[in-house]
Amino acid sequence: DAKTTQPNSMESNEEEPVHLPCNHSTISGTDYIHWYRQLPSQGPEYVIHGLTSNVNNRMASLAIAEDRKSSTLILHRATLRDAAVYYCILRVHYVSGTYKYIFGTGTRLKVLA
Amino acid sequence: DAGVIQSPRHEVTEMGQEVTLRCKPISGHNSLFWYRQTMMRGLELLIYFNNNVPIDDSGMPEDRFSAKMPNASFSTLKIQPSEPRDSAVYFCASSLTSEEYTDTQYFGPGTRLTVL
Repeated sequence: DAKTTQPNSMESNEEEPVHLPCNHSTISGTDYIHWYRQLPSQGPEYVIHGLTSNVNNRMASLAIAEDRKSSTLILHRATLRDAAVYYCILRVHYVSGTYKYIFGTGTRLKVLA
Repeated sequence: DAGVIQSPRHEVTEMGQEVTLRCKPISGHNSLFWYRQTMMRGLELLIYFNNNVPIDDSGMPEDRFSAKMPNASFSTLKIQPSEPRDSAVYFCASSLTSEEYTDTQYFGPGTRLTVL
């Protein structure tokens, strides 16, 4: 079954860039890579997603390796409000037309003032 | 939009009692998901509905768990009888899913269930 591997925790200083890595060596050609984050006492919220090409949005950037076996979520300037658990997720598409999100264990990001 | 609405936000019950968790998805969304989150197992998908039809219930732990979606605006997750190991935060999420569109799931605030 598809799986993602992330470091348990990372620290960053405020106003500095943060690179959150994720390995997904079992990814298949139709699996999308999604990133969500979970703030304390809240449900997960969408951050960004991609398939093959690097992606940018107002929250973050997603860099996807050429072989797609790994990806990196980039927060360009971390703020205290970015402290959360960041989940790297594979959106696995089945032949039947259904799909499933496979959540990793997440990386707890601590931002230091 | 109010987002995904879950009720109750907190539930404390005794072992053996029936527990019903409720979810109202975002209007217009056609997919609904129930997840369970624990420290030991992280976030797990329990069941997924598309157009009110259960598509994947392989994550439902056992027969004590059941989920229904009688219409596009309401879903329930029932545990009967409840056990202490069911204590967790249960999230409901909804999305607009199509073959062409790579959906975003919108999560509710969760229901924290404690079974004594």
